[in-house]
Amino acid sequence: AQKVTQAQTEISVVEKEDVTLDCVYETRDTTYYLFWYKQPPSGELVFLIRRNSFDEQNEISGRYSWNFQKSTSSFNFTITASQVVDSAVYFCALRPQGAQKLVFGQGTRLTINP
Amino acid sequence: EAQVTQNPRYLITVTGKKLTVTCSQNMNHEYMSWYRQDPGLGLRQIYYSMNVEVTDKGDVPEGYKVSRKEKRNFPLILESPSPNQTSLYFCASSWSPGLAVDTQYFGPGTRLTVL
Repeated sequence: AQKVTQAQTEISVVEKEDVTLDCVYETRDTTYYLFWYKQPPSGELVFLIRRNSFDEQNEISGRYSWNFQKSTSSFNFTITASQVVDSAVYFCALRPQGAQKLVFGQGTRLTINP
Repeated sequence: EAQVTQNPRYLITVTGKKLTVTCSQNMNHEYMSWYRQDPGLGLRQIYYSMNVEVTDKGDVPEGYKVSRKEKRNFPLILESPSPNQTSLYFCASSWSPGLAVDTQYFGPGTRLTVL
């Protein structure tokens, strides 16, 4: 069975702090894809990143970075020097190769306070 | 602009009154899907379609119908809505889930309340 767990339901930090959102996944497939989506207060889902299971290189995009570790089945997301505009619900998702759907975690609500 | 559109964005209705939520994409994507988002549960797939006239059930299909008569449109139909279908609904599309580079893009969401 496929499963994604985001254990942190809510996180609140002060602006400019660094914050890490945890994502742990379960799958028996050897090839799979991991995603992060952002849902701002306006409600839409914004694609942030896709990572293939055979590529364990970390990725950095501006203040965002992702740490993929197959050994611990984790795909964590770090925001450096957080800003109020980063306040949103963040979803981690898994898609095994050939699967017809995304399996989502429960989401983490991140609040950045000024 | 490449996008997935949904209408209506907000809907309040009463139990048993049939409704349709429309979804349209302008990216010529083959794959389309409906999800519902509920607190503490993330998003769960309702139905999906691999191409025109090809649809299949997701994880939570009970109480919903879909159709795919045209490539760009994938309406979600609630024949007899009930209060437990109160939720935030998202339509998504992509080229093909079988592709390694496939990424699903989501519409803006439809917030449905069934009284």
